[in-house]
Amino acid sequence: DGGITQSPKYLFRKEGQNVTLSCEQNLNHDAMYWYRQDPGQGLRLIYYSQIVNDFQKGDIAEGYSVSREKKESFPLTVTSAQKNPTAFYLCASSIGQGYRNQPQHFGDGTRLSIL
Amino acid sequence: LAKTTQPISMDSYEGQEVNITCSHNNIATNDYITWYQQFPSQGPRFIIQGYKTKVTNEVASLFIPADRKSSTLSLPRVSLSDTAVYYCLVGDETTDTGRRALTFGSGTRLQVQP
Repeated sequence: DGGITQSPKYLFRKEGQNVTLSCEQNLNHDAMYWYRQDPGQGLRLIYYSQIVNDFQKGDIAEGYSVSREKKESFPLTVTSAQKNPTAFYLCASSIGQGYRNQPQHFGDGTRLSIL
Repeated sequence: LAKTTQPISMDSYEGQEVNITCSHNNIATNDYITWYQQFPSQGPRFIIQGYKTKVTNEVASLFIPADRKSSTLSLPRVSLSDTAVYYCLVGDETTDTGRRALTFGSGTRLQVQP
């Protein structure tokens, strides 16, 4: 079945350490997204990519970095500059290059915690 | 920035119809309204999308008035498995920095009782 795979499901980070969250999709979608969700809150956009080798910052990009070297992959790195990284991270994709008005398909998330 | 406003929570009983309203006063001309459902520790799941008037699929209906400043998600005959958070999403765009941002509402927590 086609879908989005996020790994790992749980991740722990030490202070000052960078960590990378994986997101892979086999839906042949052009656009991919990363969101952050804090307890009891909605989703906030971190980065999105409309096409390979291109990506744009969302509302809360500070302390995060991404790459889009392959259509099916959009890894997110949480850097040591992100002072409050504990959250639930969600990756999504959509069919078109334009992000607006395109239903998104989500993975099941990675929960990141600080040790 | 277009912002959505939804009730924080709603309660219902099995078999009832549930209507969740989302307010989006600054919706852009070309924006669609999309609703998602999210269970704990899972990613949101697309439910329905519409532009105006009424849209219906196998799980829900979406009602959008002519001014498009609000929308109502209607879930017919809910069951316990419909207990979840429901998000209203409207496309958004900032012009000052050139960045674009999608706006998820705070979501509505629907609790269905037996």
